[in-house]
Amino acid sequence: IAGITQAPTSQILAAGRRMTLRCTQDMRHNAMYWYRQDLGLGLRLIHYSNTAGTTGKGEVPDGYSVSRANTDDFPLTLASAVPSQTSVYFCASSDAGDSDTQYFGPGTRLTVL
Amino acid sequence: GQNIDQPTEMTATEGAIVQINCTYQTSGFNGLFWYQQHAGEAPTFLSYNVLDGLEEKGRFSSFLSRSKGYSYLLLKELQMKDSASYLCAVRDSNYQLIWGAGTKLIIKP
Repeated sequence: IAGITQAPTSQILAAGRRMTLRCTQDMRHNAMYWYRQDLGLGLRLIHYSNTAGTTGKGEVPDGYSVSRANTDDFPLTLASAVPSQTSVYFCASSDAGDSDTQYFGPGTRLTVL
Repeated sequence: GQNIDQPTEMTATEGAIVQINCTYQTSGFNGLFWYQQHAGEAPTFLSYNVLDGLEEKGRFSSFLSRSKGYSYLLLKELQMKDSASYLCAVRDSNYQLIWGAGTKLIIKP
C-alpha cells in the first residue's frame, strides 16, 4: 500500500441498507477525515479524527458514523442509506506538521436508490 | 457564515498564463491551500500559503493577502494536462478546512 486506499471504488445501494466505506493509510498520519463532494459544492467535512481513539463531527455528520480503532483505518458507516447520501466520498489524512497538508484517497462513488 | 468564492469556470489557451482568484470570509485564518482535481480523480495538493506574499513552485505560483481575504493561483506556460478543477481551501480557527466549490479550467489548443 502506498498512501491512502479506499474501498469500494463505487457502489449502488438500496435505500435503507447499511453500508461501510473503508479507508486505510500507511503514512502513519495522526489525523484522518471523511468528505463528501457534490456537484457545484465544495468538499464538505463529515467526520474527522485527530488521533486514534478520538473522533469529531464535521459540517454534515447526520446519518454517518465513524470509528478510529487504530492509526491506519478510518471506516465511515451509513446506518440506513437515503438517496440524499448519493455522492462521491473522499477520505484524507494529514501529518499535523507545519502545514498539516491533507492527502486524499481515490474516492468512493456511492449511489443510493 | 464562512464563505470561499472562486469563479466557476475559466478558459485559457495552451502556452498562456492564467490567474484563478479566491476570496474568503472565515472565522479565523490558519493557512490557505490550493488543490488540483482532474475529473473523476482525487484532489492533489498544489500549494500552501500562511504568510502574505508569493510562493513559487515551478509553473505554479500562489499569492496571499490576509488583510484583503484574497489569494490567487497563477499557472504559467499552460499545458493541456492542466485542464482540471482548482480548489481553494482555508483552514479556520477550529483548524478545519473550508472549501470553495472549485474553478474548472479549460485549456484550448
